[in-house]
Amino acid sequence: DAKTTQPTSMDCAEGRAANLPCNHSTISGNEYVYWYRQIHSQGPQYIIHGLKNNETNEMASLIITEDRKSSTLILPHATLRDTAVYYCIVRGLNYGGSQGNLIFGKGTKLSVKP
Amino acid sequence: DTGVSQNPRHKITKRGQNVTFRCDPISEHNRLYWYRQTLGQGPEFLTYFQNEAQLEKSRLLSDRFSAERPKGSFSTLEIQRTEQGDSAMYLCASSLGGGAPLHFGNGTRLTVT
Repeated sequence: DAKTTQPTSMDCAEGRAANLPCNHSTISGNEYVYWYRQIHSQGPQYIIHGLKNNETNEMASLIITEDRKSSTLILPHATLRDTAVYYCIVRGLNYGGSQGNLIFGKGTKLSVKP
Repeated sequence: DTGVSQNPRHKITKRGQNVTFRCDPISEHNRLYWYRQTLGQGPEFLTYFQNEAQLEKSRLLSDRFSAERPKGSFSTLEIQRTEQGDSAMYLCASSLGGGAPLHFGNGTRLTVT
């Protein structure tokens, strides 16, 4: 079972920041937080991941709370092409066996509106 | 980097027939994963390979399913005696080692009539 909780859906105005929350209260010390998104009819696309420090790349920023029980994915200037299902996933560091695999939940359907 | 390639993109088959899908991972990626996704659900793990060795199978992978990765390069997923419940998107992903992010292909959509 997925170890994360996300809202089912969210709306965001084009050009505004999209802030997608994720709860992972049972996360272990050796587990990373990963974010993927899936645009309709495509495979999941890797966005970003982090352990405990905030991370930023060309796509997004990841803010992880100090207790690591929740995180927020930030898309700084959402466009219509960011409309997708966003998955927050907890993934173990011990990559032998199933701990290295991604266990997807149902994600958050983000709709970016003009 | 041409990404993960999956063929065919779509497959329609009649119940009871066998089907085979192919996945070409990103070159030099030693891990290859198969997932299945049904409508409205997130992808579900089926199996993965480290090079040519199949290291884990999900309980979702019934005896009618078989996956291979000869020579540690491309992989095939075969479903024998297809059932309507097999209708889904079959996704392949690869990674450079177990600790690296998975990169997914765009999947093969199977429809069993």
